[in-house]
Amino acid sequence: AQSVTQLDSQVPVFEEAPVELRCNYSSSVSVYLFWYVQYPNQGLQLLLKYLSGSTLVKGINGFEAEFNKSQTSFHLRKPSVHISDTAEYFCAVSVRSGNTPLVFGKGTRLSVIA
Amino acid sequence: NAGVTQTPKFQVLKTGQSMTLQCAQDMNHNSMYWYRQDPGMGLRLIYYSASEGTTDKGEVPNGYNVSRLNKREFSLRLESAAPSQTSVYFCASRVGNSPLHFGNGTRLTVT
Repeated sequence: AQSVTQLDSQVPVFEEAPVELRCNYSSSVSVYLFWYVQYPNQGLQLLLKYLSGSTLVKGINGFEAEFNKSQTSFHLRKPSVHISDTAEYFCAVSVRSGNTPLVFGKGTRLSVIA
Repeated sequence: NAGVTQTPKFQVLKTGQSMTLQCAQDMNHNSMYWYRQDPGMGLRLIYYSASEGTTDKGEVPNGYNVSRLNKREFSLRLESAAPSQTSVYFCASRVGNSPLHFGNGTRLTVT
């Protein structure tokens, strides 16, 4: 079975500073990888996904993530954060075969400080 | 363009009461899912339905039942609510291995 570890539960960062949210996964087979964002009192929205091809994936709101198969990581980055990026971020994994459900990490709360 | 619709948005139950959370999607997705979200625990899968007519247990199925009524609708039932079921419940859907589309959630409190 696959699993996801988000290494930081909370990340405070000053506005306009860069940020990296870390995600490692465990799986014995090939996977798809996703990052979702949840703003307060809302559902989850897809930020970006890695299905195949280029290991650098660009998403919405200036976020990007890099798939590193050897390190089984899929870290999320943004070069300059805004107050509006304050939210909870979830990394998720699913195996490539069949309709297997997504497995989510426990989330990282990003707080952007003015 | 409704996407995934969940009802109700909020609910308060007493211990032992029952209720059904409703979920409907209008995107013609095959697969539907119920997750619960608790602080510090992320999202945990309760049940899912890979296609109409099938349902499977997820990570935390105890105390819940589901019904895939048709391709659009997937309901979650609590037969005898317990305080440990206080949570935010999310329904989601997708086709194949595409990303999940989520509803806005149901906030349930069991006293």
